[in-house]
Amino acid sequence: AQTVTQSQPEMSVQEAETVTLSCTYDTSESNYYLFWYKQPPSRQMILVIRQEAYKQQNATENRFSVNFQKAAKSFSLKISDSQLGDTAMYFCAFTTIQGAQKLVFGQGTRLTINP
Amino acid sequence: GAGVSQTPSNKVTEKGKYVELRCDPISGHTALYWYRQSLGQGPEFLIYFQGTGAADDSGLPNDRFFAVRPEGSVSTLKIQRTERGDSAVYLCASSKWAPPGQGSNTGELFFGEGSRLTVL
Repeated sequence: AQTVTQSQPEMSVQEAETVTLSCTYDTSESNYYLFWYKQPPSRQMILVIRQEAYKQQNATENRFSVNFQKAAKSFSLKISDSQLGDTAMYFCAFTTIQGAQKLVFGQGTRLTINP
Repeated sequence: GAGVSQTPSNKVTEKGKYVELRCDPISGHTALYWYRQSLGQGPEFLIYFQGTGAADDSGLPNDRFFAVRPEGSVSTLKIQRTERGDSAVYLCASSKWAPPGQGSNTGELFFGEGSRLTVL
């Protein structure tokens, strides 16, 4: 069974700083998707960034980028120039290509951006 | 609608009562998912529909939980004889996911704001 582990329950940084959230996963599959979702107090999960395992290039979306290390099964999220609106729970998630997008989530990291 | 809609937003019930939670997915999304999120945890998969049929219900915790999607759009999650341990946020998501070879997939799920269930 696939598992996703986020080892940082909480993180806090000052506005405009850069922060990195860690995620590791375990799978025997070779082809899969990885995601970072943001969950603000409204409870709605919002996709931040996605990575396809067969692509070696790290995904980037504006201030958000990932460091995908397939051999190490590591998938960290870097937020540059952090903003107050980035304050939220962040979840790392995994699904196999064959898995009908049945996401497996990590436990989450509560990120607080301080003014 | 523009996004995934879930009702009610909050539901408080007494132990032993029956509860229904509704999900209205994004128009045109064939796949629909239910997840349960306990306090301080990540969402856990419950059940997945492709069209009208439950393609995978392996996450349902026991036979008190049941979900339907009779017309391939709106889905209802039904919980019988509720227990205090059922208290959680129930999230619904939809996607355009198609089985491999039958279409292209991005892997993205679109979530609603969830229904918070409190069992007293």
